[in-house]
Amino acid sequence: DGGITQSPKYLFRKEGQNVTLSCEQNLNHDAMYWYRQDPGQGLRLIYYSQIVNDFQKGDIAEGYSVSREKKESFPLTVTSAQKNPTAFYLCASSTPYSPLHFGNGTRLTVT
Amino acid sequence: DAKTTQPTSMDCAEGRAANLPCNHSTISGNEYVYWYRQIHSQGPQYIIHGLKNNETNEMASLIITEDRKSSTLILPHATLRDTAVYYCIVRVEYGNKLVFGAGTILRVKS
Repeated sequence: DGGITQSPKYLFRKEGQNVTLSCEQNLNHDAMYWYRQDPGQGLRLIYYSQIVNDFQKGDIAEGYSVSREKKESFPLTVTSAQKNPTAFYLCASSTPYSPLHFGNGTRLTVT
Repeated sequence: DAKTTQPTSMDCAEGRAANLPCNHSTISGNEYVYWYRQIHSQGPQYIIHGLKNNETNEMASLIITEDRKSSTLILPHATLRDTAVYYCIVRVEYGNKLVFGAGTILRVKS
């Protein structure tokens, strides 16, 4: 079945550590996205990539970094510079003509 | 992308139609209306989208007013499994940024 896989589902880290969240898709979509969701709120765009080796900052990119070396993969690194990293992180992909398909998210807790 | 306004929450009786409104008064001519829903701790699920005409699929119907400033998502026979947060979003057809508001919490009750 085609889809988006985010792993792990739950992730725990100590403050000051960088952590990388995985996102893999087998839908052959060109565009991929990372969103952050805080409790009771909507999704906010962190980074997006329309094509391999290219990506753009979203609305809340500070403290995050991404790479897009392969079409299927768009990992997100939450750096120690991100002041409030605890959140639910969602990855999505699309073509220009299709709705976004979302993964089931990674819940990151930093203590 | 244009902003949308939705009620914070709504209740619906099981088996009845759920009508979820959305205002998007600043929508541009090339922006589509999209609806997604999110069940707790899962990724949002696409429901339906439209530009001008009303749309229907196996999940729902979308009614867009003639001036395109508002729309209504209709779940014809709501079930308990339809309890979720519903997001109304406007997006340029080939646009890459979806701006999500807080959405409407729909509670379907037996």
